[in-house]
Amino acid sequence: SYVLTQPPSVSAAPGQTARITCGGDNLGSKSVHWYHLKPGQAPVLVVYEDRDRPSGIPERFSGSNSGNTATLIISRVEAGDEADYYCQVWDNSIGWVFGGGTKLTVL
Amino acid sequence: EVQLLESGGGLVQPGGSLRLSCAASGFTFSNYAMSWVRQAPGKGLEWVSAITSNGGSTYYADSVKGRFTISRDNSKNTVYLQMNSLRAEDTAVYYCAKERWTGTALFLDYWGRGALVTVSS
Repeated sequence: SYVLTQPPSVSAAPGQTARITCGGDNLGSKSVHWYHLKPGQAPVLVVYEDRDRPSGIPERFSGSNSGNTATLIISRVEAGDEADYYCQVWDNSIGWVFGGGTKLTVL
Repeated sequence: EVQLLESGGGLVQPGGSLRLSCAASGFTFSNYAMSWVRQAPGKGLEWVSAITSNGGSTYYADSVKGRFTISRDNSKNTVYLQMNSLRAEDTAVYYCAKERWTGTALFLDYWGRGALVTVSS
């Protein structure tokens, strides 16, 4: 089965840049999507198809995907960005796969 | 505004059954496939099941195949998850989510707040 690997935790000070990675075999050949989860709230799609942002998501959120690693980049981190972040892929051969999640702590 | 509202969660004994409902609004429900995703306590997200827009095809994770059944009623803008033979490891928050297919990618663009299912004696 296909596995997506994320670091358990990432931290950044307000105003700095946070980078959350998602690793998988030949991941660059797939489309990667990112979600954030805050306790008691509905999960939110923050980046889709590697780098596109849904309406309402700040430009501070961006993404990249190449080789075996996709990265969610959060610029000018704010306290409200503190959440768990998950990457996800889908294709016909592997189905739905989520990464293990990364807790972003704003220092 | 897209809204997804889950209901039907609760406490159930091992071996018991529960049916979750997800009421959708703010989009043309009958045009979109829907999924259920769960998060066990202290764990990550796990996709559970999906159903196509007309209900003609359904899909399940191996962990629930044969025990869970997804269905939908497009006249009521509602998707369901019938859960039978429940186990302790099914304890989780269950999220309903709207699928978006771009032609090359499949992801979940809107989610509900979730319904807590606890399987315990």
